[in-house]
Amino acid sequence: KNEVEQSPQNLTAQEGEFITINCSYSVGISALHWLQQHPGGGIVSLFMLSSGKKKHGRLIATINIQEKHSSLHITASHPRDSAVYICAPHKAQKLVFGQGTRLTINP
Amino acid sequence: NAGVMQNPRHLVRRRGQEARLRCSPMKGHSHVYWYRQLPEEGLKFMVYLQKENIIDESGMPKERFSAEFPKEGPSILRIQQVVRGDSAAYFCASSPYRGKDTEAFFGQGTRLTVV
Repeated sequence: KNEVEQSPQNLTAQEGEFITINCSYSVGISALHWLQQHPGGGIVSLFMLSSGKKKHGRLIATINIQEKHSSLHITASHPRDSAVYICAPHKAQKLVFGQGTRLTINP
Repeated sequence: NAGVMQNPRHLVRRRGQEARLRCSPMKGHSHVYWYRQLPEEGLKFMVYLQKENIIDESGMPKERFSAEFPKEGPSILRIQQVVRGDSAAYFCASSPYRGKDTEAFFGQGTRLTVV
């Protein structure tokens, strides 16, 4: 079983829809990153969080350390949000990665 | 303040050649991580270095791969006698200090193709 499980693996939605990507992990961690990767592009860290909730523009990330679960939400989704979103818990000073969720937002 | 700089962005090597991938961390950052992303697979940790020290190399293949982060200059990931299976995107990340919850800043990656 993978240490980090993301769902869904692929998600297609219409512009304007509310998006939720889930991440469950089995490792003991103190913090978790959400990363964004565009096709053929680099990796951008969207959030690092260790408890509660963080908001940045249209993006919201939540984490429940006891439940070992985190979610990434995108409000009023836009085609430019199309990318792969990766959940990456911190384990022993390095990141462990989920397989990613490929998000496609159609206009 | 430039971000994490990786070069080259794209590298083509023939089987048996050596590949050298460079990573210049953000200014003020003394910790560097290398990650590999194989085609259609997720990212995997390779090695964690501090200036002149390898802290954790548990993700490095046992042979042909080495990494260094000298006192001066960029961090280098070196792959000797490359094989087709080494074709991947290699990402570097840097952070300002050692700790469990440090922010990590990623480079654009080097895409290695072995022909």
